[in-house]
Parts: sequence; C-alpha cells; structure tokens
Amino acid sequence: GESVGLHLPTLSVQEGDNSIINCAYSNSASDYFIWYKQESGKGPQFIIDIRSNMDKRQGQRVTVLLNKTVKHLSLQIAATQPGDSAVYFCAENSGGSNYKLTFGKGTLLTVNP
Amino acid sequence: DGGITQSPKYLFRKEGQNVTLSCEQNLNHDAMYWYRQDPGQGLRLIYYSQIVNDFQKGDIAEGYSVSREKKESFPLTVTSAQKNPTAFYLCASTRGNQPQHFGDGTRLSIL
Repeated sequence: GESVGLHLPTLSVQEGDNSIINCAYSNSASDYFIWYKQESGKGPQFIIDIRSNMDKRQGQRVTVLLNKTVKHLSLQIAATQPGDSAVYFCAENSGGSNYKLTFGKGTLLTVNP
Repeated sequence: DGGITQSPKYLFRKEGQNVTLSCEQNLNHDAMYWYRQDPGQGLRLIYYSQIVNDFQKGDIAEGYSVSREKKESFPLTVTSAQKNPTAFYLCASTRGNQPQHFGDGTRLSIL
C-alpha cells in the first residue's frame, strides 16, 4: 500500500485475482477522497471518489473503503485485468472552498497474464 | 468531445530560456490547476486559478508564472529561474465539488 508522502510501492497480481491498493492519509479534516489511475505517458484518469460521510462506495469492478478512525483508504479491483496495469494515486481534499488536492506518490500495479 | 488539451506533448528548453505550456479546456470548468510530476513521485501543485483573472500560488510556484485571461485557457510559463525544470507537467480543471479532470501532460526536457 502507500502513504501520502512515502516512496512508490508496487503490487503484482495474477490476471483474474482481486487487487487491493492501500493509502494512509494524515489530515483528519479531509472530507473528500479520490482514486486516480495513471498509465505511462498519460494524465491521471478518475476512477472513483468517496466523501467522508460514507465508508464504502462501489463502481464497476472497483470499491473504495474509507476508515476515518485510522485514516485509511483502500481501492479494491475485482477480477484484475492486464489493462488495469498502471500507477494508482489516492488524493485527499482537506476541505475549504479552494478545492486543493493532496496526492499520494502512487502504487504501481502490475497484472501478470 | 469535451476535454482538456495540453500542448505540446514534448518540449525542450535551452539554458536561460522561458517556455510556455498550453492548457485549454472546453468543459466549462471554473477552476484550473498546474501540477508537476517527477519520476516515481506524486503530483505537486504549482499554481491554480478558481476564476478568470485570478490565480494563487501552489506549493512549488517559484520559477513559474501563469495567466488566466480566458476561462478556457491557463498557460504555464517555466522561466529561466526554475533551475530544475525537467518534469512531466499536468493541467487539470474542475467545477464545483467535482473531481479534477486531467490533460495528458507535457514532458519538458533540458537541452
């Protein structure tokens, strides 16, 4: 997993397995969290978001879990496919009207066929 | 299709030269952002603008300048004062409390 501010970790999984990417955040005032996927040479692509009044949100093959007690966020990818190989970033908004995000350094996910 | 367009995709700078990176969006977003990404690193905020004719410094604004004369455009100038400009530059935009939407970046290198 990753923590906002640490070096880039890696996760290698087999095609078809479920993947879990973790992220720890430090600001207890953060009220909005986003997961992005970044493929090589491209900009980050929005995957899923969650607000602090929720602890779970599901999308297509992805689920985000938020544990505010321990300031932990995770992204679960079901039935991981080779096309899921990328760097995954979590980002947090510490609130306020200027909507500034703080990004983690990312986790490199490699899916083996 | 609506989106964010960054140009050029690759850019080279000579010593002592200023270069300008373009960012255009047709999403009707109010806020625009510039980030810098170094290898194996997350995104660091350079400048952001919430409305036309207004912008604020981010965490690493030194050596950079921006303008926001039109809602659709938020160009970034990397000045000669930026001593380590080699990086991947990303532009983003958003509206309200929606997630930021990114362009595909400009890779700047030093000759």
